Amino acid sequence: SQELEQSPQSLIVQEGKNLTINCTSSKTLYGLYWYKQKYGEGLIFLMMLQKGGEEKSHEKITAKLDEKKQQSSLHITASQPSHAGIYLCGADKSGTQGGSEKLVFGKGTKLTVNP
Amino acid sequence: EAQVTQNPRYLITVTGKKLTVTCSQNMNHEYMSWYRQDPGLGLRQIYYSMNVEVTDKGDVPEGYKVSRKEKRNFPLILESPSPNQTSLYFCASRGWSRAWEQYFGPGTRLTVT
Repeated sequence: SQELEQSPQSLIVQEGKNLTINCTSSKTLYGLYWYKQKYGEGLIFLMMLQKGGEEKSHEKITAKLDEKKQQSSLHITASQPSHAGIYLCGADKSGTQGGSEKLVFGKGTKLTVNP
Repeated sequence: EAQVTQNPRYLITVTGKKLTVTCSQNMNHEYMSWYRQDPGLGLRQIYYSMNVEVTDKGDVPEGYKVSRKEKRNFPLILESPSPNQTSLYFCASRGWSRAWEQYFGPGTRLTVT
C-alpha cells in the first residue's frame, strides 16, 4: 500500500527565510495534496497536484510534483509567523488514480517561524 | 458557511462507557470519513462512507462503529472505549466535483481513563 514519508519532521526558521518540505511516496502518485494544520485544530486544504511537473501556488506557498510523480515539495517564500503549523501531504492509499476514499497521510512537518 | 461540525469538541470518559461523536456537514457531500491523529503516528483513517448506507473500514477500524443514515451526518460510535482510543479525532467530507479537497471538522479531543 501507499506510504508517504515527509521530511523534515520539524523545522524552525527565522521570519523572512525560505524553506522547503518534502513528501516522498513509495508508489507513483496520481494525486497528491497538501494540507496545513494549526496545532490541535482541523486541517485546511492548500492545493492538489496531479500531473508530473505540475506546480501550483497559494499566496507565498508553492508546491510541485516531480516528473516521476513520486515526490512533492512544498516551498514557502519569505516565511511569516502565520505560516507556522503542521504541514501534511496526502494521497490515495492504493496508489491508483482518483476517486478512492482510502486515503493515506504523511506524518507531518511541524513548522515554527520565529519573529 | 460551508463547514463540518463535530460534537463534542472535548470529552473525558471512563473505560467501557459507550459514547458517540457526532459529525455533520452542510455541503451535500457524498464522501465522509473519520480519522484519528496520534503523536508519531500521524493521521490514520478509521472508517469512511461513500454515500448513505455505504460505509467501509479504513486502516484502524477496531473498536469503532459508524453509520450513515442521512447524507449530512456520520456519527462515530465507541461501544466500549479503552485508554488506547485516547486521541484527537477528525471528521472530513468531500464532494464529487472537487475530489481531493476534503473539508475537515475542528476535531474532538477524547480522553479515556
